Amino acid sequence: TQLLEQSPQFLSIQEGENLTVYCNSSSVFSSLQWYRQEPGEGPVLLVTVVTGGEVKKLKRLTFQFGDARKDSSLHITAAQPGDTGLYLCAGRERGGSGNTGKLIFGQGTTLQVKP
Amino acid sequence: DADVTQTPRNRITKTGKRIMLECSQTKGHDRMYWYRQDPGLGLRLIYYSFDVKDINKGEISDGYSVSRQAQAKFSLSLESAIPNQTALYFCATSEWTRSTDTQYFGPGTRLTVL
Repeated sequence: TQLLEQSPQFLSIQEGENLTVYCNSSSVFSSLQWYRQEPGEGPVLLVTVVTGGEVKKLKRLTFQFGDARKDSSLHITAAQPGDTGLYLCAGRERGGSGNTGKLIFGQGTTLQVKP
Repeated sequence: DADVTQTPRNRITKTGKRIMLECSQTKGHDRMYWYRQDPGLGLRLIYYSFDVKDINKGEISDGYSVSRQAQAKFSLSLESAIPNQTALYFCATSEWTRSTDTQYFGPGTRLTVL
């Protein structure tokens, strides 16, 4: 089973600061996704990155997939209290003769942005 | 109305009791999943189903069973609940394509086993 290590696990910052969350593995994934989860709700997809080296931007959030497709990062610029939540990375397993499509989730990063 | 619904939302039960968690979806997806979430461990896959006749074990299936009653319904059972099954349980659906597999999660069921 492929594993994803996410860091840091907890992050508490002031409004306006920048931050980066990392997701690392020794295995190659066919794609990688980032989800955000708020209390009392299920995770919601933010972005999918597929190509090695790919960078996607979603307003103040920048997502990057490593060249070797083993790691990814999420960078938030000028964090706001509304960014508070649990951020989860999830790598899609590479299948053999048939792609299972299963996702492997990291442990999550709990972000708190203080006003 | 929510695309993926779970019932109950909260449940407290005692050790040894049989519990069933239910999931329904209106997204028309063939693939459905059950995960459990524990602090510091992220989401771990319990069972998944790629269609009504296809059921597969995930990484932590021991102590759990599932039933795919229809394309829209996927139930998770704990035959004899134990305290370390206390967790947040999520159902999810997906529509697989060659390039991505977005999962749509329900709101979760918080289960406490005393």
